[in-house]
Amino acid sequence: DAKTTQPNSMESNEEEPVHLPCNHSTISGTDYIHWYRQLPSQGPEYVIHGLTSNVNNRMASLAIAEDRKSSTLILHRATLRDAAVYYCILSAPGGKLIFGQGTELSVKP
Amino acid sequence: DTEVTQTPKHLVMGMTNKKSLKCEQHMGHRAMYWYKQKAKKPPELMFVYSYEKLSINESVPSRFSPECPNSSLLNLHLHALQPEDSALYLCASSQSNMGFTGELFFGEGSRLTVL
Repeated sequence: DAKTTQPNSMESNEEEPVHLPCNHSTISGTDYIHWYRQLPSQGPEYVIHGLTSNVNNRMASLAIAEDRKSSTLILHRATLRDAAVYYCILSAPGGKLIFGQGTELSVKP
Repeated sequence: DTEVTQTPKHLVMGMTNKKSLKCEQHMGHRAMYWYKQKAKKPPELMFVYSYEKLSINESVPSRFSPECPNSSLLNLHLHALQPEDSALYLCASSQSNMGFTGELFFGEGSRLTVL
């Protein structure tokens, strides 16, 4: 199964944009790129996913490199409630979502 | 209703006990999952059920026994666990697990402590 690499932690200021990077150099042509986040004491929560094109939804944007070996999750205006661990995940056959180590995002007021 | 409900929220058991974790969803999803999460670590996939049949077992020890009695329910039976099995057990569901492109809905987890 392909793996992802993320920074262990990042800091952001409230109301500023946040760019969370993810490397997935062994991604296969059919792997989707998923992002989930996990707030303290909660289960993971879906953020966004994509295959090749950039994606936007109400929570975030996903920018995917042309060679698909990396991607960036963009939170346009960080709030204190966005402090969480963000996981970049590649889907494997049979519905396996294998979580990477994740990036712990802290947001300063 | 977009919830996955897990019970109990907390469970303490001895190494000789038999207990079960339960998970329920009413979203009509046909795939259900068990993940295990240790403190400060990412969730690790344990089992995947697709249309009530076990489709993936990630080499989980036999002291963990999953069961899917119907499309809305998923159980995890626990027997003769070890203290290192103490963790947060997360249940999730999705519409299907084939050509997976969709969203996993997670419950809040059952925190298990094995004494």
